[in-house]
Amino acid sequence: EIVMTQSPATLSGSPGERATLSCRASQNIDHKLAWYRHKPGQAPSLLIFGASTRATSVSDRITGTGSGTEFMLTINSLQSEDGAVFYCQQYKDWPRTFGQGTKIEIK
Amino acid sequence: QVQLTEWGAGLLKPSETLSLTCSVSGGSLAGYYWSWIRQSPGKGLEWIGEINHRESGTFNPSLKGRLGMSVDMPKNQFSLILNSVTAADTAVYFCATFDVAHTPYGAHDYWGQGILVTVSS
Repeated sequence: EIVMTQSPATLSGSPGERATLSCRASQNIDHKLAWYRHKPGQAPSLLIFGASTRATSVSDRITGTGSGTEFMLTINSLQSEDGAVFYCQQYKDWPRTFGQGTKIEIK
Repeated sequence: QVQLTEWGAGLLKPSETLSLTCSVSGGSLAGYYWSWIRQSPGKGLEWIGEINHRESGTFNPSLKGRLGMSVDMPKNQFSLILNSVTAADTAVYFCATFDVAHTPYGAHDYWGQGILVTVSS
């Protein structure tokens, strides 16, 4: 199976700062990558698909880049609502696999 | 807009069978793939498997052999069966799907709220 590795595990930032999250695939997944935001007690929310396309109603502060095996999610101007765990997920192959998540803590 | 609601038994003993159902409103089962995803306590998300309205599906090999899925078109719902559960199957179970008009197959933009299933003796 394709292993997805995210870094860092935890990221702490102040409101207004930029956060950069990394996701690496163990083999080429082209652009078949999604990013989700997951808050405790809620369903995950799709942010990005196709590595760089924002899902409906997603803020333009959130940008996805990358292809192949290296991907990034950038969140500009952090806000309190960004405090959550962010997951990447590949859909190039089965089983679909997720990274272990990056937790963003807002100072 | 598609809405998903999971329901089923929330407390099981080891070796029992997990049975969950996801009710779909705002859309038909036809033409979509319907997924189950879980999150064990303190861990990340794990894709369990998916099924379409013809009951053609793909399962996670890590669970294959214990796993079954089915659809009920008249009731507009689909189900997950996991046999011989252990404490390692304790998790919040989500059903999920995608908006075929806007989202590629494999990503998930519609999710249920999740249901906690605890396996404990």
